[in-house]
Amino acid sequence: GESVGLHLPTLSVQEGDNSIINCAYSNSASDYFIWYKQESGKGPQFIIDIRSNMDKRQGQRVTVLLNKTVKHLSLQIAATQPGDSAVYFCAEHLTGTASKLTFGTGTRLQVTL
Amino acid sequence: NAGVTQTPKFRVLKTGQSMTLLCAQDMNHEYMYWYRQDPGMGLRLIHYSVGEGTTAKGEVPDGYNVSRLKKQNFLLGLESAAPSQTSVYFCASSYFLWAALANYGYTFGSGTRLTVV
Repeated sequence: GESVGLHLPTLSVQEGDNSIINCAYSNSASDYFIWYKQESGKGPQFIIDIRSNMDKRQGQRVTVLLNKTVKHLSLQIAATQPGDSAVYFCAEHLTGTASKLTFGTGTRLQVTL
Repeated sequence: NAGVTQTPKFRVLKTGQSMTLLCAQDMNHEYMYWYRQDPGMGLRLIHYSVGEGTTAKGEVPDGYNVSRLKKQNFLLGLESAAPSQTSVYFCASSYFLWAALANYGYTFGSGTRLTVV
């Protein structure tokens, strides 16, 4: 989930298990959302996006679920691998005259062998 | 490889010193951005550019200046560094303003870790 302090929340999962990372967004008018993966010492990498008119979108080993009622989205990673260890964060895009992209604080995923 | 390149990757500055961070992209993107990333906080926008010769302030612009003299380059300057500017800085670029969907190519560089002592 979102961090409110200096330290990122950490999710520790065993290799092969499924991971679920959560994100709360702030603006009900946001028109799409993106999940990023950030490995240590690297820049954020796009994983998957979902438009606000969708509830679910699947990619390769990843699924994003969107619950607009509670302004929540989640990223599910199937059969988690050591290479999935990273910080994951969501971003929301607001369209219109006040268009902007806002990033969440992130969750650290640790994959144990 | 196509992408966003940031230089330098690491830098230590003394309080009051100045420096310039360089961002270069080879994707012919019109829009470029500078962010800072601090522990426990999301990426925060410092300045952005909507085209060659134009810049605009973001969420946290104080203490920074930027220039976009060439379309492919976006420079971030610190005129008098302060310890509060210790952070990791990321540059990004995109085809359309704020457009981060997969086919719009919102691409980040690998970052510059700056420490001000």
